[in-house]
Amino acid sequence: DQQVKQNSPSLSVQEGRISILNCDYTNSMFDYFLWYKKYPAEGPTFLISISSIKDKNEDGRFTVFLNKSAKHLSLHIVPSQPGDSAVYFCAASVGYSSASKIIFGSGTRLSIRP
Amino acid sequence: DAGVIQSPRHEVTEMGQEVTLRCKPISGHDYLFWYRQTMMQGLELLVYFNNKAVMDDSGMPKDRFSAKMPNASFSTLKIQPSEPRDSAVYFCASSSQGRGQPQHFGDGTRLSIL
Repeated sequence: DQQVKQNSPSLSVQEGRISILNCDYTNSMFDYFLWYKKYPAEGPTFLISISSIKDKNEDGRFTVFLNKSAKHLSLHIVPSQPGDSAVYFCAASVGYSSASKIIFGSGTRLSIRP
Repeated sequence: DAGVIQSPRHEVTEMGQEVTLRCKPISGHDYLFWYRQTMMQGLELLVYFNNKAVMDDSGMPKDRFSAKMPNASFSTLKIQPSEPRDSAVYFCASSSQGRGQPQHFGDGTRLSIL
């Protein structure tokens, strides 16, 4: 049973427009959420995170929104650039210490077209 | 600074053979994680260490998998005997102690069991 779900395996967005990646979770105990980005033949790299005490966290072109009542989070990328083409993993944990077990979704492949 | 280093990058072997995957974490990181990425399951945690001690290996099939961390700068994940269903990309990650410390991933080992 997947506790973190990314229901869209792929997404195509025109360069310069907004990319919105979605993620749903089932475990109401999750209180820390992360997004990782992965290029082919490389390991995932940390992108942005949010704790459950917030509903929004912004870092440059990247913003993560958290809707706890809906158990839903999303990653917004504005404006989208060619280098953003990658697989994006949503992840969640109970607690945010280094010992907290992170549960990953299955990923969404984002393609930015010219 | 060197990141997490994994070897080999690719491994092709026949069913029934022993496979050993290796990982060198980032110097000074107290936590080391082994993940497996498959098409169906995404990234799943197999086992993780804190200061060389196994903290959680509930995701690891214990009949054929074993993980060790003999010193702070080296870890192995061994599969014996290997089976075709073990074919996947295996990632090692490390993180430092503290709240919200992200995990840093290696580039993975692509394992194919024929």
